[in-house]
Amino acid sequence: DVKVTQSSRYLVKRTGEKVFLECVQDMDHENMFWYRQDPGLGLRLIYFSYDVKMKEKGDIPEGYSVSREKKERFSLILESASTNQTSMYLCASSSRGRWGNTIYFGEGSWLTVV
Amino acid sequence: SQQGEEDPQALSIQEGENATMNCSYKTSINNLQWYRQNSGRGLVHLILIRSNEREKHSGRLRVTLDTSKKSSSLLITASRAADTASYFCAPLGFGNEKLTFGTGTRLTIIP
Repeated sequence: DVKVTQSSRYLVKRTGEKVFLECVQDMDHENMFWYRQDPGLGLRLIYFSYDVKMKEKGDIPEGYSVSREKKERFSLILESASTNQTSMYLCASSSRGRWGNTIYFGEGSWLTVV
Repeated sequence: SQQGEEDPQALSIQEGENATMNCSYKTSINNLQWYRQNSGRGLVHLILIRSNEREKHSGRLRVTLDTSKKSSSLLITASRAADTASYFCAPLGFGNEKLTFGTGTRLTIIP
């Protein structure tokens, strides 16, 4: 069974804290993604990684960075958390294919910044 | 990368009825995918239709694709309470690995 695991389901952090959201996939997928989801705004892509140590900005990268040191792990970093980063964060992965492949999502991490 | 636009934004139907939701997109696609999201959970892939296909079935799901109109529809037949969820379409362009999503259609099945 395919699995994308996000390390924390619920987090509460203080403004200005450095926050790490971890994601691991067990499918040997090349591509990994971080999205955030807010009411009325849908899912927005923050960062995308297509290989180890490779990354590409998505639609809303400001205030975030990412790390992909190993193929199975993709971390989202909030260098200095702010209240407008309170959101649900979704990690996902997919394999590379000519026709574009299914994306598999984790269960999400609810982050509240106070 | 482009995102699909789902319509309607919300839909409520009686259990047992059919539910239809639509998706429009702007530029040529490689494929189009539909996903479901239960409240507070991650998205789950439902079906992928390629640009050279016009219709695809999976259980109670039927997806159509009209590339001339740049639109797709998802039909859920004989709806059940468990179908209550948000549904998203995601068009994927050629040479692009990134799926983007809109705001979805929120489907409520009334028992």
